[in-house]
Amino acid sequence: NAGVMQNPRHLVRRRGQEARLRCSPMKGHSHVYWYRQLPEEGLKFMVYLQKENIIDESGMPKERFSAEFPKEGPSILRIQQVVRGDSAAYFCASSGVGDIEAFFGQGTRLTVV
Amino acid sequence: ILNVEQSPQSLHVQEGDSTNFTCSFPSSNFYALHWYRWETAKSPEALFVMTLNGDEKKKGRISATLNTKEGYSYLYIKGSQPEDSATYLCALLSSNTGKLIFGQGTTLQVKP
Repeated sequence: NAGVMQNPRHLVRRRGQEARLRCSPMKGHSHVYWYRQLPEEGLKFMVYLQKENIIDESGMPKERFSAEFPKEGPSILRIQQVVRGDSAAYFCASSGVGDIEAFFGQGTRLTVV
Repeated sequence: ILNVEQSPQSLHVQEGDSTNFTCSFPSSNFYALHWYRWETAKSPEALFVMTLNGDEKKKGRISATLNTKEGYSYLYIKGSQPEDSATYLCALLSSNTGKLIFGQGTTLQVKP
């Protein structure tokens, strides 16, 4: 049973480009969380999704950021028109229905140049 | 707004010292408390999940206690070793939102 897989591990984008970050949850898990770690800061909640539903997106910036978790395939965090301030490590975690434990992926480090 | 606070923010100890740090959280809407260990360039690794008031969990030299009525948890490390150097995160799983809210972490540095 593979753990939570995130790809790519490192992503470099120029200002104005789009960034797509992927998260494949553990087998059997239907809940995904996305977190962002800005330099010198802790983990900040962004969005909580279940399959085909966004449950809580209170931590998502209002513009340029979107997330989805389709019925088939990985969860995608999409950042349009990236700016330097988007440079951060983005982590996802997954859990199963009724589980109280969440498992993390290795993270994607986004650098905007 | 649910707020999880951890203290101290950072800690430097000598090898062999025992240490402890605190996680404070709002006691309403409590469902579970998680402790994670997070090393640089790695993903957070689950240490403990605690649900019951008065719960105490132990893994090797690391143990944790939970007080849900007053809203705090302590993490203890006995006889710290350099390999214990990491950031220790606590996270509250809220019963009404179902999401994990993390504290800022306590960064521990153990000097040989």
